[in-house]
Amino acid sequence: QSGLTQPPSISGTPGQRVTISCSGSNSNIGSNNVYWYQQFPGTAPRLLIYTNDQRPSGVPDRFSGSKSGTSASLAISGLRSEDEADYFCAAWDNSLSLLFGGGTKLTVL
Amino acid sequence: DVQLVESGGGLVQPGGSLRLSCAASGFTFSTSWMHWVRQVPGKGLVWVARINGDGGSTTYAASMKGRFTISRDNTKNTLYLQMNSLRAEDTALYYCVRLGAAADHYWGQGTLVTVSS
Repeated sequence: QSGLTQPPSISGTPGQRVTISCSGSNSNIGSNNVYWYQQFPGTAPRLLIYTNDQRPSGVPDRFSGSKSGTSASLAISGLRSEDEADYFCAAWDNSLSLLFGGGTKLTVL
Repeated sequence: DVQLVESGGGLVQPGGSLRLSCAASGFTFSTSWMHWVRQVPGKGLVWVARINGDGGSTTYAASMKGRFTISRDNTKNTLYLQMNSLRAEDTALYYCVRLGAAADHYWGQGTLVTVSS
């Protein structure tokens, strides 16, 4: 089972809004919830978005998630230097495997 | 606070075996699905396996099935991953993870497994 598809990298300037896409299929994103994680070098992933568009407590409302069909997106508005990190999407597949995207490295210019 | 502390990683030769452990605290371990996820440093995340609360149900990623065994001891609040027939491509940081239905996702700090001669 192949993973979900994300762009390897994106960049933006402070204050800008950026979007990270995550593409899957009917058997994963199309049928199940999407999760988004943020990871800084040398640390474990941190949950940013659960159940497609919900933010855990403590996650700024600058982060938002959405899902449509077999794709999902993570949007970061009011970009800040501390947002520079790797971002991963995840979704269960109907084959009972958890699939991750390859990760997107966000650079704040 | 939820804590997941992995141990047991290290250097092992190709074809060798290793058992990882994860000590859990701060939540009701015996009713929680638990997972192992691995990551080659600087690369992406790969789900390895999961186990239900009483240990009666397990699921594996296709590439690990038959070589890896996930298990748990609820009397010790500990999760395990027995890894056999290890290959160079199994070299990674292995995370113990609780993936709840909502926002209760918790990750340990990982234990590094290096497969090399």
